[in-house]
Amino acid sequence: DIQMTQSPSSLSASVGDRVTITCQASQDISNYLNWYQQKPGKAPKLLIYDASNLETGVPSRFSGSGSGTDFTFTISSLQPEDIATYYCQQYDNLEITFGPGTKVDIK
Amino acid sequence: EVQLVESGGGLVKPGGSLRLSCAASGFTFSSYSMNWVRQAPGKGLEWVSSISSSSSYIYYADSVKGRFTISRDNAKNSLYLQMNSLRAEDTAVYYCARVKGEDLRPIFDYWGQGTLVTVSS
Repeated sequence: DIQMTQSPSSLSASVGDRVTITCQASQDISNYLNWYQQKPGKAPKLLIYDASNLETGVPSRFSGSGSGTDFTFTISSLQPEDIATYYCQQYDNLEITFGPGTKVDIK
Repeated sequence: EVQLVESGGGLVKPGGSLRLSCAASGFTFSSYSMNWVRQAPGKGLEWVSSISSSSSYIYYADSVKGRFTISRDNAKNSLYLQMNSLRAEDTAVYYCARVKGEDLRPIFDYWGQGTLVTVSS
């Protein structure tokens, strides 16, 4: 089974700060990596797919990069509405697993 | 507007059964693969099952294999999850999720609001 780790598990940052979350796969998953945002009490929302592609309608302050086993998700300028938990998700060989999540809040 | 609306959740005793439904609208349901993803209270996301547009390909997580059955009715624009032999660890909010694009790659671009399943005596 492919295991996903995320770091940090939580972070606090100020409005306008650059925020970076990392996701690591236990084996090479090429670019089969997506990022979701989940606000409290709401369903997840797709932000980035295939490691670096911005989903339609998602603000450009969100970005993703990486391939193989190491991936990065960045919010270039944190906004109050970005308070949420962020999950990575891999789908190599139709095996689907999510990372444990990173909770982001405002300092 | 794409809409996915789950229903059928509730309280069930261990060993019991429940059938979840997901009503889809705003897109050509028969062209898209669909999935169930669950989230235990206060926990992360766990993929449960996938079904291709014509039901030709079906996959399950090991944790539910042999107990859960995914199905769909394209004429009714509906997705289902039959859950048998329920356990306490199946307690979760169950989301239906659409796959982005008309292929099998599990990129989930639309999600329902979820339905809560509680397994407890």
